[in-house]
Amino acid sequence: DAKTTQPPSMDCAEGRAANLPCNHSTISGNEYVYWYRQIHSQGPQYIIHGLKNNETNEMASLIITEDRKSSTLILPHATLRDTAVYYCIVRVQPGGSNYKLTFGKGTLLTVNP
Amino acid sequence: ETGVTQSPTHLIKTRGQQVTLRCSSQSGHNTVSWYQQALGQGPQFIFQYYREEENGRGNFPPRFSGLQFPNYSSELNVNALELDDSALYLCASSREPSTDTQYFGPGTRLTVL
Repeated sequence: DAKTTQPPSMDCAEGRAANLPCNHSTISGNEYVYWYRQIHSQGPQYIIHGLKNNETNEMASLIITEDRKSSTLILPHATLRDTAVYYCIVRVQPGGSNYKLTFGKGTLLTVNP
Repeated sequence: ETGVTQSPTHLIKTRGQQVTLRCSSQSGHNTVSWYQQALGQGPQFIFQYYREEENGRGNFPPRFSGLQFPNYSSELNVNALELDDSALYLCASSREPSTDTQYFGPGTRLTVL
């Protein structure tokens, strides 16, 4: 799996957009970018994933650069409940033996009132 | 549609004992993956079960073993517990082993004294 680099921590004001960056400069053409978040001591929650096009769902937007070497997760209107550790993961899909998710240390996003 | 459930929520064992953790997969999911998360770290892949067989394994010793049942639920067994086995144990289910998003349960907190 390609390695990812994320800042260890970020702050965001409540109601503002939270933009979480992720570097994955060694990503391969068949690797997807996944984002999960983990609120303290709970199981990780799936947020969104994408290959090369920008993606949006009810939780967030994922912007992937044209060269696919980095991406940004955007929470459009952060709330206090969005305070969590956010993990960016690259994963081969479909097929192959890449059945696991390889987590790094992620970014601790703190949303302040 | 019920999500992934795990039992028990918390567990305290002493060194040398054996423990069994349980996971029920999300409806329609036939694959279960297990992860260990030590304090302050991201989850680490233990193994995956698909069609009642181990489908892949991370860097964990043989005293970590598992089972998957015909209803796709799964067990994680750890023998000869060590202090370093204290962690949050997470199970994730997916529709297919390597092609689908993994959805996590709330985890079991194991403390080894």
